[in-house]
Parts: sequence; C-alpha cells; structure tokens
Amino acid sequence: GIQVEQSPPDLILQEGANSTLRCNFSDSVNNLQWFHQNPWGQLINLFYIPSGTKQNGRLSATTVATERYSLLYISSSQTTDSGVYFCAVSRGNYGGSQGNLIFGKGTKLSVKP
Amino acid sequence: NAGVTQTPKFRVLKTGQSMTLLCAQDMNHEYMYWYRQDPGMGLRLIHYSVGEGTTAKGEVPDGYNVSRLKKQNFLLGLESAAPSQTSVYFCASSYPGTHSNQPQHFGDGTRLSIL
Repeated sequence: GIQVEQSPPDLILQEGANSTLRCNFSDSVNNLQWFHQNPWGQLINLFYIPSGTKQNGRLSATTVATERYSLLYISSSQTTDSGVYFCAVSRGNYGGSQGNLIFGKGTKLSVKP
Repeated sequence: NAGVTQTPKFRVLKTGQSMTLLCAQDMNHEYMYWYRQDPGMGLRLIHYSVGEGTTAKGEVPDGYNVSRLKKQNFLLGLESAAPSQTSVYFCASSYPGTHSNQPQHFGDGTRLSIL
C-alpha cells in the first residue's frame, strides 16, 4: 500500500514564527488532505489538496503530485496552532478500498508564548 | 447541528469483556468509518460502510465487528476485549463518490482502556 511519511516528527516554535511541514507519499494519489488534531483530540480538516496550492488565512498548502510531496505552511504561528498535523492520502474515490485514507504519523507542533 | 457524535467518550474494560461503541451522524452521509489511533501513530482504518446494511474491512479489522442497521448509525463491537485494543477510536462520515471539497467529518473520539 501507499506509504506516507511526515517530517519533522516534532517541532517547537516561538509564537510569531513561520514553519513548513512536509508530507511525502510513495505512489500516485488523487486525494490528499491535511488535518489538525488539537490538544483536546479533535480532528479538523484543513485542506483537500491533491495538487496545486490553497490558502486559508495564515495556513497554506502546496502539493506537487508529480514529485509525490505536499507542504503545509503556517505563518505567524499562534499558541492555538499547537497540536498534531496529519497528512492523509488515497488513490480512489470514497467507498472503494483504494479510496480509504491512509494517514501519516503526524507532526507534533508546540507553539510557545 | 451535532455532526458526528460518539458514545461513550471514555471507557475502561477488563480483558475478555465485550462492549459496543456507537457513532451517530446527522448529515445524511452515506459513508461511515471507524479508525483507531495509537500513541505516535496516525489513524488506521478498522472497518467502513458505504451504506445502510453494508460493511467492509479496513486495514486493521481483526478483533472487531461492525453493523450499519440504520443509515445514521455505525456500531463498533469488541466481542472479547484485549489489552492490544487499548486506543482512541474515531468515527467519521462522508458523502460518496469524489471527495473534492467533501472532507471526512470526524467525531471527538472514544478513549478505551483494556486492563
């Protein structure tokens, strides 16, 4: 199956700093999503981005499908950005076995005040 | 709008006991999923369902059973709990077909400890 690797595994930032999180995947995909798991354990979908670039406020994401990686950018980080960021991919549509999301192990981000 | 609701939120079991986790969604989603999350790991798919009355195995189905008798509910059962099943369990739901702008919606999780 597809392998998903995220880096770095841990990241500590001072409030206001910028950061880049990386997701590498081992095969072609047609679905890539970024999630944020907050310190209370809730999972929030940030982006659906199988290719191209999207921006939402201080967060943006870029996926280069041909080179099998995606980047999540966090600018002017805030303490509320703390938590774990997951990348998840699949090769097919929801409902088929290839459409099931495969998650990376995540990047744990700690933003210090 | 409650979204995806999981009950219970916490549970402690003894080895060999059985229990059922309930997931309910009010978004009229066709597809529902059960995942487990272990420390330092991403989520792994246990079972999923593409509609009422249907279920299918995911990546780690052993030791679990599921049922989807009603469209809005997806039940995860542990017939004989084992310490290896200590985990946080997440339920999710989605629309069918393509996933563009249709993310999976997750519940808040159930923390299960097997002693």
